[in-house]
Amino acid sequence: DGGITQSPKYLFRKEGQNVTLSCEQNLNHDAMYWYRQDPGQGLRLIYYSQIVNDFQKGDIAEGYSVSREKKESFPLTVTSAQKNPTAFYLCASTYGRDYGYTFGSGTRLTVV
Amino acid sequence: AQTVTQSQPEMSVQEAETVTLSCTYDTSESDYYLFWYKQPPSRQMILVIRQEAYKQQNATENRFSVNFQKAAKSFSLKISDSQLGDAAMYFCAHNNNDMRFGAGTRLTVKP
Repeated sequence: DGGITQSPKYLFRKEGQNVTLSCEQNLNHDAMYWYRQDPGQGLRLIYYSQIVNDFQKGDIAEGYSVSREKKESFPLTVTSAQKNPTAFYLCASTYGRDYGYTFGSGTRLTVV
Repeated sequence: AQTVTQSQPEMSVQEAETVTLSCTYDTSESDYYLFWYKQPPSRQMILVIRQEAYKQQNATENRFSVNFQKAAKSFSLKISDSQLGDAAMYFCAHNNNDMRFGAGTRLTVKP
C-alpha cells in the first residue's frame, strides 16, 4: 500500500543534541512538507520541498534543517539551536496543490 | 502571507444533529484551494473535503458539506447527522503554493 512513513513514533532527546526525524513516501509525490503541531496552534510550516535537491523555508525554519537527496525521502533535523523542540511533527506529501496532502502518522519529540 | 482563522476553539453537538464549523481566510490570490482536515485522537490527519476557489458550487462528501463564500473569504464546514466518530479536531486549510492551517476546532459529539 502506498503511503507516508514517519519514524520513530516517539523520540527523546537530551538538550544540546541534534536529532533527525525520518519521512519516507512511496506515492511518487513530488512535493514534501514538514509541519510542527503545538497545542492550540494548529500546524505550522517548517520546510518544504517541491523537487529533489531543492527546498524552501517555511514560517518557523530557525533551528531546523532538511535535505532532499531522493524523491522518496525528506528527513528533518532538529538542531540544538531550536529553543523549544518538544512538539508533534508531521510530514506530508502531494502531487500538487489541488490534491490535498497525504500525512504521515507523526513523531512526538520530547526534550529531556 | 495567507492566513486562516478558526474562531471557535471548541464546539459541541448532539448525536444525529447538525453542526457548522467556521473558517475565514485571507489571500490576495484568485485561484486557490481550500480543505477541511479531521484529526482524531490518533493524531492522523484525514482529508474531509476540498473546494476549488474557481468553482461556485459548494463541495459535498456524504454528510459533510461546505458553504464557500469567496467574496467574504469564508469556508464553513457543515456536518449533518453527527456521529460519535465525528469527534475530533477539525482544521481548515488554504493552499496556494503551500498549505496553511487554522488553529483548529475541537468537536465533541454527545450521545
